Amino acid sequence: GAVVSQHPSWVICKSGTSVKIECRSLDFQATTMFWYRQFPKQSLMLMATSNEGSKATYEQGVEKDKFLINHASLTLSTLTVTSAHPEDSSFYICSATALVGGSYEQYFGPGTRLTVT
Amino acid sequence: EDQVTQSPEALRLQEGESSSLNCSYTVSGLRGLFWYRQDPGKGPEFLFTLYSAGEEKEKERLKATLTKKESFLHITAPKPEDSATYLCAVQSFSNDYKLSFGAGTTVTVRA
Repeated sequence: GAVVSQHPSWVICKSGTSVKIECRSLDFQATTMFWYRQFPKQSLMLMATSNEGSKATYEQGVEKDKFLINHASLTLSTLTVTSAHPEDSSFYICSATALVGGSYEQYFGPGTRLTVT
Repeated sequence: EDQVTQSPEALRLQEGESSSLNCSYTVSGLRGLFWYRQDPGKGPEFLFTLYSAGEEKEKERLKATLTKKESFLHITAPKPEDSATYLCAVQSFSNDYKLSFGAGTTVTVRA
């Protein structure tokens, strides 16, 4: 149980184009999902909190107009990187909060490798 | 602001050589402390959540413990497949289920 998927697993795009990444909770409903980015040999940095049916909450320093987040249902959140540039190249990972045994656990997707050329 | 410090940064072990990883934390009201395993190019894999000082959890060769200031992840008789980066994260009551991560400890187990 508590499986989170991401699509695509990797994507290459040209500078100036937009890319959409999907995050799905496969066997549970997630009212809250999170989006992280991770640079090589670094830890995960939280970008934003995505709540079903409401606007995402962005961490300080994250451009909300560049990283558009939509949480349209209890099992799907999407991250769109708009007008991508090479510095946006990174590993993007989502997570979803699941109620397990009376406690909220956070499960991660497999990640999406974005390369902007 | 929640802070998490992991040590050492890297750990090289011989197969069967037990060791411990440390996670020191500062948080205003701990909701939970999480341990994850991350393999290169993959998302973190959930290992444990600890909620209160004195709590211990085990899974195969791994055992996690928690005090009021730190957590330890003990690896007993490791095997090469235990090679990975181990991440520690904290969640506070004041932070809406967000996780604050440490930098991780990269463990390499040689056969």
